[in-house]
Amino acid sequence: AQKITQTQPGMFVQEKEAVTLDCTYDTSDPSYGLFWYKQPSSGEMIFLIYQGSYDQQNATEGRYSLNFQKARKSANLVISASQLGDSAMYFCAMRDYNNDMRFGAGTRLTVKP
Amino acid sequence: NAGVTQTPKFQVLKTGQSMTLQCAQDMNHEYMSWYRQDPGMGLRLIHYSVGAGITDQGEVPNGYNVSRSTTEDFPLRLLSAAPSQTSVYFCASSGLRGDTQYFGPGTRLTVL
Repeated sequence: AQKITQTQPGMFVQEKEAVTLDCTYDTSDPSYGLFWYKQPSSGEMIFLIYQGSYDQQNATEGRYSLNFQKARKSANLVISASQLGDSAMYFCAMRDYNNDMRFGAGTRLTVKP
Repeated sequence: NAGVTQTPKFQVLKTGQSMTLQCAQDMNHEYMSWYRQDPGMGLRLIHYSVGAGITDQGEVPNGYNVSRSTTEDFPLRLLSAAPSQTSVYFCASSGLRGDTQYFGPGTRLTVL
């Protein structure tokens, strides 16, 4: 079964600086999708960005970009120009060809003013 | 467009009771799924469905049943609640090869 690993339980970043949240995955499927979600303290799950395994370019959505290194099986989230509202839990997830989806344990990001 | 709706928002059960968590979506999505989130952890997939009449088990299916009689609805049944099922439950939906997945607001379940 596929596995998602987020090795950073907590991260701190200064407001307006960039931060990278790490995610590695393990799968033998050639076709899969990688997701990042944000979960603020209010509890809802907010979709941030998606990368398909066959996508040639790294995904970007506003201040979010996904650094996809397929050979290394990593899908790191880069948040540029951090804002106080970015403080939250961030989850990496992978959906395989059979639509089975697995989440990492998450990284708690704290943005300092 | 209501998106993904879940009811109830909060529920307290006694050990051994049964109940159904409701989930509905109005986006005509083929794929629907249920997750549980325990404190300090990521989400774990319980069951999922790729269309009406089709369901499959996820990572932690024991103690839960699902059915998918319509595209819109995907209820989750707890057959005999146990304290280990105390958790926050999320329902989600997307297209079959969708590049995003929309989540409901969650149901906080406590089993005493």
